[in-house]
Amino acid sequence: DTGVSQDPRHKITKRGQNVTFRCDPISEHNRLYWYRQTLGQGPEFLTYFQNEAQLEKSRLLSDRFSAERPKGSFSTLEIQRTEQGDSAMYLCASSSNRDSSSYNEQFFGPGTRLTVL
Amino acid sequence: ELKVEQNPLFLSMQEGKNYTIYCNYSTTSDRLYWYRQDPGKSLESLFVLLSNGAVKQEGRLMASLDTKARLSTLHITAAVHDLSATYFCAVDPYSGGGADGLTFGKGTHLIIQP
Repeated sequence: DTGVSQDPRHKITKRGQNVTFRCDPISEHNRLYWYRQTLGQGPEFLTYFQNEAQLEKSRLLSDRFSAERPKGSFSTLEIQRTEQGDSAMYLCASSSNRDSSSYNEQFFGPGTRLTVL
Repeated sequence: ELKVEQNPLFLSMQEGKNYTIYCNYSTTSDRLYWYRQDPGKSLESLFVLLSNGAVKQEGRLMASLDTKARLSTLHITAAVHDLSATYFCAVDPYSGGGADGLTFGKGTHLIIQP
């Protein structure tokens, strides 16, 4: 396993359409995070899973956004009724709490760049 | 609400020079992370700082953490062009056994010119 993978890498959609992104974390990592990054800004936290449980959701995560992590492995992030303001890079990260020397060090995937027309 | 401020946000420097990037944060935390991002790429983990007084070095980069001052620094020694990138600091607001999403600064866009 060489790292966190995300699919697709790029997505162009029309306003009002639904989109779904997938993230595969590093295999031994039990924590998975979703972030959003817009141009010139740092990543903003969206939501976090420990195993299959969704433990935290940012207020940025409107009711049009939903995330799942069935069986505690890969995760999906769905955006319903996309808006132009949803255009951003969506980053997935994973971490493990089993190594105390690097607690919660998060390793990021390559991201999915979403463009809403 | 946790706020993380970096400065400068933009830095142009010459090869061979030294410089420091500062990261201030607004709430108690003893976990701070530095990341590097190249244009169009994802984030690469550079340093994990987990206690007051922690100092870590890798090549020409050295990071430190002062939890009492809520300040971390990233020092660049004898800069080379390959270090041109955007550098982010990020704070985990939890102490102890919990964990949460990281709060990132806006990043420092670093350009190193020959």
